[in-house]
Amino acid sequence: DAGVIQSPRHEVTEMGQEVTLRCKPISGHNSLFWYRQTMMRGLELLIYFNNNVPIDDSGMPEDRFSAKMPNASFSTLKIQPSEPRDSAVYFCASSPGPQETQYFGPGTRLLVL
Amino acid sequence: AQSVTQLGSHVSVSEGALVLLRCNYSSSVPPYLFWYVQYPNQGLQLLLKYTSAATLVKGINGFEAEFKKSETSFHLTKPSAHMSDAAEYFCAVRRSGNEKLTFGTGTRLTIIP
Repeated sequence: DAGVIQSPRHEVTEMGQEVTLRCKPISGHNSLFWYRQTMMRGLELLIYFNNNVPIDDSGMPEDRFSAKMPNASFSTLKIQPSEPRDSAVYFCASSPGPQETQYFGPGTRLLVL
Repeated sequence: AQSVTQLGSHVSVSEGALVLLRCNYSSSVPPYLFWYVQYPNQGLQLLLKYTSAATLVKGINGFEAEFKKSETSFHLTKPSAHMSDAAEYFCAVRRSGNEKLTFGTGTRLTIIP
């Protein structure tokens, strides 16, 4: 059974460019979570969805960040425009239900120059 | 607000020695507690979780953790360290009825040959 799939695995971009991170959750999982990991702030929850509906986006840093889940098998996290301080590893996780165990993808390592 | 504190950002043990990684939680109600492991350049993998059933929880790879309400602790142990245990370990808490996981700052475990 395939786990959570994230793409790209690595992204290097220049400040001001748009960045789109992609996630495919485990089939049958109804909840999806986006996290950001940095040395300074550790692991932070950015936003999560239940049944494709955003439930809590209080962790999204600012309006430059947006996330969508157009269907049960795909989600995107977009940063526009990107800034050097956005450099981090971004993880997607999914779970069968909102209060069940979360399974993490391998992450996307983003570097904004 | 619920949170977890991991004592010691770096822990080194000799191969074959006891592994003890500390986690204390703060929560006004009995929480759900988790330990995740992150190997280099990989996502987080669930080691074990406490969900108010047994206070001693056994996980994968020989790890276990004991929930001690009187000490508000959920320390992770393994009797005999193996080289393959070198990784970063995260304690996390989730309040009953809430979907959000709050992670500790992590403990990097190094195994000395």
